[in-house]
Amino acid sequence: DAGVTQSPTHLIKTRGQQVTLRCSPKSGHDTVSWYQQALGQGPQFIFQYYEEEERQRGNFPDRFSGHQFPNYSSELNVNALLLGDSALYLCASSFLQRSYNEQFFGPGTRLTVL
Amino acid sequence: AQTVTQSQPEMSVQEAETVTLSCTYDTSESNYYLFWYKQPPSRQMILVIRQEAYKQQNATENRFSVNFQKAAKSFSLKISDSQLGDTAMYFCAFMKPGAGNMLTFGGGTRLMVKP
Repeated sequence: DAGVTQSPTHLIKTRGQQVTLRCSPKSGHDTVSWYQQALGQGPQFIFQYYEEEERQRGNFPDRFSGHQFPNYSSELNVNALLLGDSALYLCASSFLQRSYNEQFFGPGTRLTVL
Repeated sequence: AQTVTQSQPEMSVQEAETVTLSCTYDTSESNYYLFWYKQPPSRQMILVIRQEAYKQQNATENRFSVNFQKAAKSFSLKISDSQLGDTAMYFCAFMKPGAGNMLTFGGGTRLMVKP
């Protein structure tokens, strides 16, 4: 079992550009959540995808969007990048239908906006 | 909305000693989960221990145990017999059942275990 995988590992962009980050969930999982972790801070919930739909969303602007594919993998897209978008982006997967849904995290994608 | 606060940005402990990390939270919910996650320097977040709010018994996982005080909304993590591999960021997190799997994290405590 490969666990949760994310790509790329690191990414450097300039202000105003657009970026796409990718996540493959742990085998057997159907739900993907995305978190933003600024340097020295705790992760903040961006949104969650289940059955190819956005189910929950945190306090993030519409510049942040996502997608979930039939194989449960997911993408996070950020448009019109700002310097403040520089962060570690974490993907977490789980199986929604269980009464307790442990989330498994990927290693993250480090995004630097110059 | 829930909030989670970790008041100790950094802590250090000698190898083999015991250390306690603090966490307080605010919620109006009566049923919820609390977690401690570990994020080593390699970045991948892993679950250390979880506590269900309706259970009065404190959770224990090997060298890790919690002190859950529901009325005080306090949830501390005790690490016994600290090991060098325990060096990491530790995050306290809250989850409300039925809200999917959304976790609300505290700001973290950086723990350094010294030889």
